[in-house]
Amino acid sequence: AQSVTQLGSHVSVSEGALVLLRCNYSSSVPPYLFWYVQYPNQGLQLLLKYTSAATLVKGINGFEAEFKKSETSFHLTKPSAHMSDAAEYFCAVSEITGGYQKVTFGTGTKLQVIP
Amino acid sequence: DTGVSQNPRHKITKRGQNVTFRCDPISEHNRLYWYRQTLGQGPEFLTYFQNEAQLEKSRLLSDRFSAERPKGSFSTLEIQRTEQGDSAMYLCASFGWGTGELFFGEGSRLTVL
Repeated sequence: AQSVTQLGSHVSVSEGALVLLRCNYSSSVPPYLFWYVQYPNQGLQLLLKYTSAATLVKGINGFEAEFKKSETSFHLTKPSAHMSDAAEYFCAVSEITGGYQKVTFGTGTKLQVIP
Repeated sequence: DTGVSQNPRHKITKRGQNVTFRCDPISEHNRLYWYRQTLGQGPEFLTYFQNEAQLEKSRLLSDRFSAERPKGSFSTLEIQRTEQGDSAMYLCASFGWGTGELFFGEGSRLTVL
């Protein structure tokens, strides 16, 4: 069964500092991987996705993630944090099972940006 | 707006009452998902539709929960005899087969008093 582990439920960074949010996955087949962002009282918005093409994936708002099969990781990074990046971030893994696309989410990492 | 639409956005109800949420997916998406999200957790899968057929249900979906998608367009999620443990955000998403991603609505937040 597929699963996602996000290390650190809360991460604090200073404005302008590097953002690193960690995600490790488990999947029995080559997975699709996603990062979603959620602002308070809103739904989830896709940041970026890995679908077995390039291992370094660039997304919106300056975020990127690198798929490392040997480490079963898909960590999210941004070189310089902005105040508007404060939100909750969810890593997700997707695979086709039973004829449908099953998407499993991690428990989320809340990012705090300190001015 | 051609995104996923959910209503109501917020619902406060007393324990034991029935509630219904509606989801209007992106029109060309034939696959629709319902998720539940509680505080501090990621979204948990509830059920999945392909067109009007409900093809998968999670064990989280007790017999008090029922979901329908009568004409393969909008979907409803009904919770009967609500309990305080049902308090959560209920998220609907439609699946873009070409893009391989879920598009989420803004969710319906349920508070059971």
